[in-house]
Amino acid sequence: AQSVSQHNHHVILSEAASLELGCNYSYGGTVNLFWYVQYPGQHLQLLLKYFSGDPLVKGIKGFEAEFIKSKFSFNLRKPSVQWSDTAEYFCAVSPNSGYSTLTFGKGTMLLVSP
Amino acid sequence: DVKVTQSSRYLVKRTGEKVFLECVQDMDHENMFWYRQDPGLGLRLIYFSYDVKMKEKGDIPEGYSVSREKKERFSLILESASTNQTSMYLCASSFPMGLALDSSTDTQYFGPGTRLTVL
Repeated sequence: AQSVSQHNHHVILSEAASLELGCNYSYGGTVNLFWYVQYPGQHLQLLLKYFSGDPLVKGIKGFEAEFIKSKFSFNLRKPSVQWSDTAEYFCAVSPNSGYSTLTFGKGTMLLVSP
Repeated sequence: DVKVTQSSRYLVKRTGEKVFLECVQDMDHENMFWYRQDPGLGLRLIYFSYDVKMKEKGDIPEGYSVSREKKERFSLILESASTNQTSMYLCASSFPMGLALDSSTDTQYFGPGTRLTVL
């Protein structure tokens, strides 16, 4: 079975600071990788995803993530955060076979102060 | 846009009650999922269904059952609610891998959640 580890449970940044949220997974086969975001009071929504090809993927709102296969990592980055990025961020992995169920990390709560 | 709706945003029930949580999606997705979300634990998969009348256990199925009589509807049932089932319940749906017409393959779309409190 796969598992996902997110390095930080809480991150506090000032506006314009750079962001990097760590995510590592364990699984023996090929995987699909996702970052989801949950803004306060809103649905969980997809931020970006990696299936194949270029390991650097770009998502909505200026976010990007890099898949490093050798490190089993899929870290989320943003060069300059805004107050509106305050949210909880979840990394998730699904095997590239079978029913492709998602396994989520425990989430990182990001608070951006103005 | 994909729309996943859940029957209630907030629900309060008493211990021992039978509870039904309903989820409906309008994208003709084959796959549907039920998760619970708890602070510090992330989302954990309870059950999923890959076709009508088909179901598979997720990581934490104990105390829950599901029903999928129609493709668009997936119900989560708490046969006898307990206080440790107080949680946020999220429903999601997706195409099976390889069947989406675009890059939405494998992407799960989530409903707004039902916050269930069991007293």
